[in-house]
Amino acid sequence: DTGVSQNPRHKITKRGQNVTFRCDPISEHNRLYWYRQTLGQGPEFLTYFQNEAQLEKSRLLSDRFSAERPKGSFSTLEIQRTEQGDSAMYLCASSYQGGAGSSYEQYFGPGTRLTVT
Amino acid sequence: GQNIDQPTEMTATEGAIVQINCTYQTSGFNGLFWYQQHAGEAPTFLSYNVLDGLEEKGRFSSFLSRSKGYSYLLLKELQMKDSASYLCAVRDWDSSYKLIFGSGTRLLVRP
Repeated sequence: DTGVSQNPRHKITKRGQNVTFRCDPISEHNRLYWYRQTLGQGPEFLTYFQNEAQLEKSRLLSDRFSAERPKGSFSTLEIQRTEQGDSAMYLCASSYQGGAGSSYEQYFGPGTRLTVT
Repeated sequence: GQNIDQPTEMTATEGAIVQINCTYQTSGFNGLFWYQQHAGEAPTFLSYNVLDGLEEKGRFSSFLSRSKGYSYLLLKELQMKDSASYLCAVRDWDSSYKLIFGSGTRLLVRP
């Protein structure tokens, strides 16, 4: 397995445009998390999925943000009508929870760096 | 509320030992993690503590005191490649298992 992958790695967009990011977790990981990280800060939790179900959303996730994980595999994070304050690194992480072989560790992808001009 | 404090920056010399402290005040606790993050890269897992005491893994050790809300990461025999940010994170007590991160400590290792 090659680990968690994210695409694109970099995205520059103009204010008001919509953007979509993709995350491919480690296969057989049933949990997928999205975090946002700004310069000089630690990652902040946005939302997470258990299989295809989105179970929690942070208050940071405004109505302009939506995330999906169809079929419990890859996930997408869409930001509509982007604002300059959305500029950040968006990190995806996956883990396996439950039953034998449960992992306590979240494996992070390389992130998508979004710049809104 | 959730509050995790770490020093912003530290400098150390190659071959030396450095200790990075982390204090936390969170509404719940289900384990403490240390991650390493090089600039522009993903955080990578270093250590996990859920019980009090010291966990050792090669050149890296991590200590936890739940009663004091305190942890430290100890790096021995520092190498230039250890220059990175070190993130302390508390795992939330609820079923989400989400991580609550501190702002990170930027470590610079000098020759």
